[in-house]
Amino acid sequence: SQQGEEDPQALSIQEGENATMNCSYKTSINNLQWYRQNSGRGLVHLILIRSNEREKHSGRLRVTLDTSKKSSSLLITASRAADTASYFCEPQGGSEKLVFGKGTKLTVNP
Amino acid sequence: ETGVTQTPRHLVMGMTNKKSLKCEQHLGHNAMYWYKQSAKKPLELMFVYNFKEQTENNSVPSRFSPECPNSSHLFLHLHTLQPEDSALYLCASSQDGGRGYGYTFGSGTRLTVV
Repeated sequence: SQQGEEDPQALSIQEGENATMNCSYKTSINNLQWYRQNSGRGLVHLILIRSNEREKHSGRLRVTLDTSKKSSSLLITASRAADTASYFCEPQGGSEKLVFGKGTKLTVNP
Repeated sequence: ETGVTQTPRHLVMGMTNKKSLKCEQHLGHNAMYWYKQSAKKPLELMFVYNFKEQTENNSVPSRFSPECPNSSHLFLHLHTLQPEDSALYLCASSQDGGRGYGYTFGSGTRLTVV
């Protein structure tokens, strides 16, 4: 298994703005997943993108995947205060276990 | 609710106490996991169970003892813990290694060792 490295480590924006966070990984993957964690709570699965997909949308979320650069990005459009959380990416190359990086801590100011 | 239920939500215990954390899932998943999240540190995988069998022990001290009586229940037995064991303990479950729909996490147990 491998862990993704999220960037930036912290991001602070105003409500209504877009938030972009990036993820890099090292070896080939089958899919990549993004999770959100509100403070002191469990992680919530947001979206999965497979290695043969380049872009995926879910509501206000847009995920891209560039396997040649071994990177992914998560875009949250029209952010809300409720989007304040930590966001983690999880590249999967076949192992069943999840290994997490430090995440991106997003703060959306009202 | 996510379908993965952890109890208790909060636990304060002394270093000489013995307590257990419980995790239950009714999603029909075949794998369950314990994670530890300390302040300002990444999530750390502790144990992995597949079809009730432990397949991963990530060098966890023996004062943490997992138990998986069936695919729906997972326990973490705690004894003679240290203050540095204070953390958020998260349980997760998955089907087929989470390749289809990801992993489902519980809300966690906030453990404080005094």
